[in-house]
Amino acid sequence: AQSVAQPEDQVNVAEGNPLTVKCTYSVSGNPYLFWYVQYPNRGLQFLLKYITGDNLVKGSYGFEAEFNKSQTSFHLKKPSALVSDSALYFCAVRDKDTGRRALTFGSGTRLQVQP
Amino acid sequence: EAGVAQSPRYKIIEKRQSVAFWCNPISGHATLYWYQQILGQGPKLLIQFQNNGVVDDSQLPKDRFSAERLKGVDSTLKIQPAKLEDSAVYLCASSWGQSYQETQYFGPGTRLLVL
Repeated sequence: AQSVAQPEDQVNVAEGNPLTVKCTYSVSGNPYLFWYVQYPNRGLQFLLKYITGDNLVKGSYGFEAEFNKSQTSFHLKKPSALVSDSALYFCAVRDKDTGRRALTFGSGTRLQVQP
Repeated sequence: EAGVAQSPRYKIIEKRQSVAFWCNPISGHATLYWYQQILGQGPKLLIQFQNNGVVDDSQLPKDRFSAERLKGVDSTLKIQPAKLEDSAVYLCASSWGQSYQETQYFGPGTRLLVL
């Protein structure tokens, strides 16, 4: 079975500082990994995804994520945080070997960027 | 292009009542998903449609939940009778096809409160 762990319920960072939101996954085959962001009273917005190839993936709003197969991680990063980045972030995985197309999500990490 | 549309945005009902949610996916998207997001958790799949056929309903509580997508476009999700534990946000998502690489795009969700 596939699963995703987001070990931090909340991450606090000062505006202008780099941020990292952690994600580890467990799959039986090759993973397809996604990051979504959720603002209050809104649905999930797609940020970026890893399918294959370069381990560093660049996405929307200056975010990037690094796929590390040996550590089964896909941490979300941004060089310089903005107050407007404050939101709930979800990591999700899809495992081709399961045959399921639905995403399996982590429990989410709340990012708080202080001015 | 227009995103995934959902209505209503909010609904409050008494337990044992019935409720229905509506979703209109992005134009041309053949695959439609319904997810349930309980407060403090990541979304969990309820049902997946490919055109008007059900692909995955393994996690749908079929004694009380039902869903349909009659013409392969709009979809409705119904709960009858509702229980207190059904209080959650119901998210609709769509994608062009079923490829493992494809991104799912989410609507704003319907927030249900069962009293």
